[in-house]
Amino acid sequence: QVRLRESGPGLVKPSETLSLTCAVSGGSMDRFYWTWVRQPPGKGLDYIGYVSHTGDANYNPSLRSRVTISVDTSKSQFSLRLSSVTAADTAIYYCAGGGYFDSRGNYGPGFCDFWGQGILVTVSP
Amino acid sequence: VIWMTQSPTLLSASPGDRVTISCRTTQGISNYLAWYQQRPGKAPELLVYAASTLQRGVPSRFSGSGSGTDFTLTISGLQSEDFVVYYCQQYYSFPYTFGQGTKLEIK
Repeated sequence: QVRLRESGPGLVKPSETLSLTCAVSGGSMDRFYWTWVRQPPGKGLDYIGYVSHTGDANYNPSLRSRVTISVDTSKSQFSLRLSSVTAADTAIYYCAGGGYFDSRGNYGPGFCDFWGQGILVTVSP
Repeated sequence: VIWMTQSPTLLSASPGDRVTISCRTTQGISNYLAWYQQRPGKAPELLVYAASTLQRGVPSRFSGSGSGTDFTLTISGLQSEDFVVYYCQQYYSFPYTFGQGTKLEIK
């Protein structure tokens, strides 16, 4: 069973960069796509983006200018960096993983089979 | 961007009831739809993918259906642990998007 665990600062100052890492255990990173999702307190889920084990990433256009998702398979981890943060970036950040074959036999990120426990990041002076 | 609309946002029911949650998309997504359950203070958990395929280990009282733009999650014989929040997600077109959530509460 694949397990994920987020780590990083719980408090970030406005205009600075949020950096989180997700440690992967119990499975090979080569099999899946690795995703970040966030959830503002009391609100719904927001898809940030994903990265493949080869480092190919795709980001939500709403965050594309500020976000970088990278992977380090040698350390079994992947990371999120979000620059120029504001109070609107305060949220629980979840790392997740998954992959599926579509009707044409192409393998893609799709839905998330497994999730980390989440980490609350507050943006405040 | 494909937008998702879940209804209702709040659903009141009693243990043992059968309920349905609707998810509608702004354009057709074939069957590229997943449903998640989220308990308070916990991460979402995958219930259904490909609109109707139950994730391993999910009780059979959960079922999903639909294709195109209209989808439903049905829970038959509600148990006490089912009174939490449910989200749909489309993965047909990037950026993948979630519905706003449906909270299932005890009547």
